[in-house]
Formats: sequence, C-alpha cells, structure tokens
Amino acid sequence: QSALTQPPSASGSLGQSVTISCTGTITDIGAYKYVSWYQQRPGKAPKVLIYEGNKRPSGVPDRFSGSKSGNTASLTVSGLQAEDEADYYCSSYGGSHTYLFGTGTKVTV
Amino acid sequence: EMVLVESGGGVVQSGGSLRLSCAASGFSFTTNWMSWVRQAPGKGPEWVANVNRDETEKDYVDSVKGRFTISRDIGENSLYLQMNNLKPEDTAVYYCVRDYFYYLDVWGQGTTVTVSS
Repeated sequence: QSALTQPPSASGSLGQSVTISCTGTITDIGAYKYVSWYQQRPGKAPKVLIYEGNKRPSGVPDRFSGSKSGNTASLTVSGLQAEDEADYYCSSYGGSHTYLFGTGTKVTV
Repeated sequence: EMVLVESGGGVVQSGGSLRLSCAASGFSFTTNWMSWVRQAPGKGPEWVANVNRDETEKDYVDSVKGRFTISRDIGENSLYLQMNNLKPEDTAVYYCVRDYFYYLDVWGQGTTVTVSS
C-alpha cells in the first residue's frame, strides 16, 4: 500500500498548459481504470476533478483532462488560470475496496 | 445539496481513544459506501477505511487494522470511526467522504485529531 508517485511541483503561465504525472504499479493504476484526480486549496477539503481516468463530474471545466498509459496516469490543465494554483492529488483503486493517493503536486501559475 | 459534517476530533495522549462522527444529508446515505480519509500536516491524503451500506463489508489501511473500527447508523444518517490505541502518527485531519463507484466525490470539511506523545 505505497503512495503513488507525483512530481512535487509544476508551473505554467496564464493561458498555458501543465501536465502532472502519477506513477503507480501493475497492481493499482495498471490494473484498474479507476484513477481519479483531486484539487485541494489551502485549508479546504479535496475536490474531485476527474474520475475513471478521464471523466469530469458536472461543474468541472473541460480545461481539466485525464489520461492513462500502463502504470502511469496524467492530468492536464489547459488554459491555466490564476485560480488553478493549488495542490493536486491522484488516486487509484487498489483492489479489495481500498484506495491509494499520490504524493501530491503543487501547481504554481 | 450533499453535505457531510464531521465532529469528535481533539487532542488525546498516545494510547488514548477518540470516536469521530459524520452527519450526512442531501443524498441517499443508505445506498452508498462511505469512507474515512485522513491527511497528516503537510502530507497528501491517505484512505483509512470504508464500509458498505449494510456493514457487511469493512476495509482498512494496514496501519490502522485492529485499532480503528468504522461503522454507520442508517437511521441517523451517520458514519463513525472508533479510534483506539492512538499513536502520534495518527495525527491528521480526518475527512468523511462518500465512496461513489470507485472515487471519492463528496467530502466533509474535516475534523482535526492530534495525538501527543
């Protein structure tokens, strides 16, 4: 039950794109389509941005997109806005009703 | 509006116990799995435990097995986490979360647990 690996930081200018990677193993990301991504602002609870690898809940802008290849998932934020500055976490279903989270990436705009 | 409100956090000495509660409203509490997720200071979230709708299935992260017990009261629309033999590494904000088809979609505001050594 080890954490998924994310880069500690990422940055981009207003209007640009940034992509965050999330690396797991064959027993979590590589085994299931159930990768989700969360945005967390300081002092707030995480908010889901992406589920099942590439699906967006109602209300999440289409600037946020997800993908997966093998044991690695990615989140891309296009058209960066100042409000996108936050911490981002990936998560994967780990089997047997368990979940793993990533180490987190701080995005600076 | 779907809302989860946690309570019961506090400061406790190592080896002590706490019981966290979570009141749910705005969705069908009876039909959903529910989870507890914690976040230590400066760290990422960590899934702790979950329970299915009739409590026939309960799962825990290895580090809390044998010490924490998750439960729910359908009639009260409430979720609980009984935490025994607490350790300093259990210090975290604990979130009550709706566990919705393999992702965690509704989060409470969190309750803080501090375990002193």
